[in-house]
Amino acid sequence: EIVLTQSPGTLSLSPGERATLSCRASQSVNSRYLAWYQQKPGQPPRLLIYGASSRATGIPDRFSGSGSGTDFTLTIARLEPEDFAVYYCHQYGSSPPVTFGGGTKVEIK
Amino acid sequence: EVQLVESGGGLVQPGGSLRLSCAASGFTLSSYWMHWVRQAPGKGLVWVSRINHDGTTYYADSVKGRFTISRDNAKNTLYLHMNSLTADDTAVYYCAREYYEIWDWGQGTLVTVSS
Repeated sequence: EIVLTQSPGTLSLSPGERATLSCRASQSVNSRYLAWYQQKPGQPPRLLIYGASSRATGIPDRFSGSGSGTDFTLTIARLEPEDFAVYYCHQYGSSPPVTFGGGTKVEIK
Repeated sequence: EVQLVESGGGLVQPGGSLRLSCAASGFTLSSYWMHWVRQAPGKGLVWVSRINHDGTTYYADSVKGRFTISRDNAKNTLYLHMNSLTADDTAVYYCAREYYEIWDWGQGTLVTVSS
């Protein structure tokens, strides 16, 4: 099973600041099957990035994804008030089990 | 438009059973890999099960032997049959469609296991 470790657990930032979220895998992940989600309380996960770096439909360009192998990053260029939420990385593909990272909470400083 | 609507959640006693449904619209469910993912209150996302378009099924170790994923092609509906439920199964259960690299998610249904 591929374990995804997200860091930091909590990120305290102000609107307008840059957020950098990390996702490290216990073994190499096919970048095609690495995604990032945003989740707010009471809502399902919202797909932000798939294929490690492709923005999903309707996602603002302040969100970007990068990385390969075992190290992946989600960057939010300038935090907007609606961006304060929990973010998860996710690896999938042909071989179960599918796994998710433990999440990074981006909170208002 | 792709839509996934879960139902069937509720309060169930430990040791009990429940069947969750996920009604799909906007696509033919049997043509895709479909998943169940759960999220315990205040916790992260955990994959539960998958059914492939060819009917092959997979389960997380934590539910193997207790949960069964299935689908009704005529009703375009995905199911999760859950038996021998424990407090650790308390969670919001989401169904999701895997379409190449994209996952589409439903709104979820809450299952509470408590006496």
